[in-house]
Amino acid sequence: DAGVTQSPTHLIKTRGQQVTLRCSPKSGHDTVSWYQQALGQGPQFIFQYYEEEERQRGNFPDRFSGHQFPNYSSELNVNALLLGDSALYLCASSLGLAGSNEQFFGPGTRLTVL
Amino acid sequence: LAKTTQPISMDSYEGQEVNITCSHNNIATNDYITWYQQFPSQGPRFIIQGYKTKVTNEVASLFIPADRKSSTLSLPRVSLSDTAVYYCLVVLYSGGGGNKLTFGTGTQLKVEL
Repeated sequence: DAGVTQSPTHLIKTRGQQVTLRCSPKSGHDTVSWYQQALGQGPQFIFQYYEEEERQRGNFPDRFSGHQFPNYSSELNVNALLLGDSALYLCASSLGLAGSNEQFFGPGTRLTVL
Repeated sequence: LAKTTQPISMDSYEGQEVNITCSHNNIATNDYITWYQQFPSQGPRFIIQGYKTKVTNEVASLFIPADRKSSTLSLPRVSLSDTAVYYCLVVLYSGGGGNKLTFGTGTQLKVEL
């Protein structure tokens, strides 16, 4: 049973460019969340998708957008990249929106903005 | 959600029991306490979750006093492979509004020989 998978593993972009990161949830899971983790910090919540809709959003600008597909996979898009967007981007999946449901994290995508 | 406070770092030796305490003074009635473990360049991994008293699974125990204003994660007989960052989180148990996780900076546990 595959866990949460993310692609690509690493990515290097320059300021002003746009990037798309992808996530496939754990089999059977229908909820996907995205987190940004800067070096030495804990993950920060970006947003969460359920039934192809954004259900919650953290304190991130509109440059960060996402999408969930009918097969529950998800994309994170970041426009007009800034140096400060360099981070590990984590995807987590769960079954439903209840806080009691364990969230499973993927290995992350390391984004470097030059 | 309640803010959590935990030590920045802890050191231990192989075979010892490690207890990491987290304070969450403003925890609400419907909040649960959850702990995650994270190794470098990997996503966090769920360890244990509880509401009150004691919860035990195959890797850890979680002790929560009656007032629920703090909790203690107990790792029995740690090994080098337990070196990681441990996060204490307060999570809203139910509701359809979403279940975002709010991470602090965690506790860096270093286990030595």
